[in-house]
Amino acid sequence: EAGVVQSPRYKIIEKKQPVAFWCNPISGHNTLYWYLQNLGQGPELLIRYENEEAVDDSQLPKDRFSAERLKGVDSTLKIQPAELGDSAVYLCASSQGSGNEQFFGPGTRLTVL
Amino acid sequence: QQQVKQSPQSLIVQKGGISIINCAYENTAFDYFPWYQQFPGKGPALLIAIRPDVSEKKEGRFTISFNKSAKQFSLHIMDSQPGDSATYFCAASQSGNQFYFGTGTSLTVIP
Repeated sequence: EAGVVQSPRYKIIEKKQPVAFWCNPISGHNTLYWYLQNLGQGPELLIRYENEEAVDDSQLPKDRFSAERLKGVDSTLKIQPAELGDSAVYLCASSQGSGNEQFFGPGTRLTVL
Repeated sequence: QQQVKQSPQSLIVQKGGISIINCAYENTAFDYFPWYQQFPGKGPALLIAIRPDVSEKKEGRFTISFNKSAKQFSLHIMDSQPGDSATYFCAASQSGNQFYFGTGTSLTVIP
């Protein structure tokens, strides 16, 4: 069974540029999470989807971050414009409903210059 | 405010030794406490988890000890192996909603 797929794996951009990350969850997983992981820190939730509905986006900085999961399957996280402090690993995870085991993708390492 | 506090930040253990990582929480509404293992360049992977109705859970060489009154839980890795060298995160959640992760422990097992 394929795991959570994320792309790109690495991205280097200059500040003020836009960037987008893509996530394809495990087939059949209706819950999808986006996390931010700073170096030496644990993951921090940005947004959680149940199917196509964002049920928890309280930690998403909505002035520059946006996310969508239009058909309740794959998802895109966007930053526009990127700032130096956005350099981090962006992790996507999925589960068969909230409360069940989360499976993480390998993440996208973003570097903002 | 850090919802889950984890220590130590790093740990070096001899092969065959016991690795112990500790976590503490404040929110008594948390009802699920997983431990994740993360290798460089990979996402975290669930290692073992416990709910507060039991004080201990063992899976192979990995054991979670849970102290509800002290609001603490710990991961014990018995017979530590070099392949266990990774970063370990504790986490806590309420009803499987938002998960709060600790800051991680970098474990190095020396052959």
